[in-house]
Amino acid sequence: QKEVEQNSGPLSVPEGAIASLNCTYSDRGSQSFFWYRQYSGKSPELIMSIYSNGDKEDGRFTAQLNKASQYVSLLIRDSQPSDSATYLCAVSIIQGAQKLVFGQGTRLTINP
Amino acid sequence: DGGITQSPKYLFRKEGQNVTLSCEQNLNHDAMYWYRQDPGQGLRLIYYSQIVNDFQKGDIAEGYSVSREKKESFPLTVTSAQKNPTAFYLCASSIEGRLGIQYFGAGTRLSVL
Repeated sequence: QKEVEQNSGPLSVPEGAIASLNCTYSDRGSQSFFWYRQYSGKSPELIMSIYSNGDKEDGRFTAQLNKASQYVSLLIRDSQPSDSATYLCAVSIIQGAQKLVFGQGTRLTINP
Repeated sequence: DGGITQSPKYLFRKEGQNVTLSCEQNLNHDAMYWYRQDPGQGLRLIYYSQIVNDFQKGDIAEGYSVSREKKESFPLTVTSAQKNPTAFYLCASSIEGRLGIQYFGAGTRLSVL
């Protein structure tokens, strides 16, 4: 089982709709969770972090965490064409030292 | 402006050749990282360093080497032992203890001639 798993997509969503991106992780002891956005040919940039169960909202983005189910998600409301990118889920795990493990990413396309 | 600078943007390696990718940061971060990204894949950790003159292997260190002689610099050498080096290489840095919040350089695309 991969440490961090995402559906690679592509996920296609019409403009103005809600895009829902999902991520599962295997280390039950993980405490910190992150979403990075990566435009094609560019480097990743952090858009959300979440550390506690429940929802965390930042503008049109909402991160949701359920540690019991080992599941973290990202919702994008009122999706815009500029949201088209690959979204990488990252989880902090401890294997000897603490390290950040990335999922393979979900490619999201917002259709005008 | 503070940030991470990677160079070159594109690099071509001949068979049997070692090549070095540069990474410089002026964010005053203690921790620095090197990742490899293959098409359609996430990031895989090659090496990381939490302090000057110290670094640790990541998940795919074979065929790579690094040094950390200055806080600002963390160069990566892709050696001839790395048989499949074609990939997008990303350097990142973070504040000590905040490894989830990483800042990335623009990346170097390495190809084999």
